[in-house]
Amino acid sequence: AQSVSQHNHHVILSEAASLELGCNYSYGGTVNLFWYVQYPGQHLQLLLKYFSGDPLVKGIKGFEAEFIKSKFSFNLRKPSVQWSDTAEYFCAALLQGAQKLVFGQGTRLTINP
Amino acid sequence: EAGVVQSPRYKIIEKKQPVAFWCNPISGHNTLYWYLQNLGQGPELLIRYENEEAVDDSQLPKDRFSAERLKGVDSTLKIQPAELGDSAVYLCASSFDGTTEAFFGQGTRLTVV
Repeated sequence: AQSVSQHNHHVILSEAASLELGCNYSYGGTVNLFWYVQYPGQHLQLLLKYFSGDPLVKGIKGFEAEFIKSKFSFNLRKPSVQWSDTAEYFCAALLQGAQKLVFGQGTRLTINP
Repeated sequence: EAGVVQSPRYKIIEKKQPVAFWCNPISGHNTLYWYLQNLGQGPELLIRYENEEAVDDSQLPKDRFSAERLKGVDSTLKIQPAELGDSAVYLCASSFDGTTEAFFGQGTRLTVV
C-alpha cells in the first residue's frame, strides 16, 4: 500500500543545532513531495515542495529538502534551528495517477532556547 | 486571498448525536479534501472531491459518515450518529486541480462525550 514514513516521532534540539528529519515514501510511480509545518494552534502550512527538476529544493524560513529517488526519500534539513521552529512537521506525497495526497505520521520538533 | 475556511472551530457533542462540519475552499480550487487527524498522528484522507464529484471516498466510513459538495464549492461533512472514537480534528483542504499543493483550513476539533 502507498505510504509515507517519518522516522522520528519527537526530536529535541538546542538552538543553533542542525536539523534533519527523515521521510520515505512507498510508491512505484511518480510523486510530488511536500513538507508541511503546523505551529502550535495554527493550521498546516506548506514549507516546501518538489515536483521535478533540481532535487534540492529550498523553502521558507531557511528550510531545504533533498529528493533522492533511489532511496525514495525526501529529508528535511535546516543548518541552524531557532526556538520559533518548534512545531510539528509532516511529510506528504501526492501520488500521480492515483492523485492521492498521503501524509506521514508527523515529527514533533522541540527547540530548547 | 482568503484561505480555506472551516466552521465550527470546536464542537462538543454527546455520543449518538449528529454533527456537521462546513468548509469553504479557496476560490477557484476544484479539488477539495476532508481529512481526519488524531492526536499525534498525520492527517488521513476521508474523501476527495473534484468539483462536485466524490472521486475517492474509499476511506470514508459510510455507515455513519456522509459528505456533499453541492455546486462544487462549499462542502459539508456529517457524522450520524457520532461515537466516542470520532473525537479528532477534521481538516478541510483545497487545491487548484489535485496536482498541486493543498491548502488547509484551521480544522474543527470534535469531542464526543
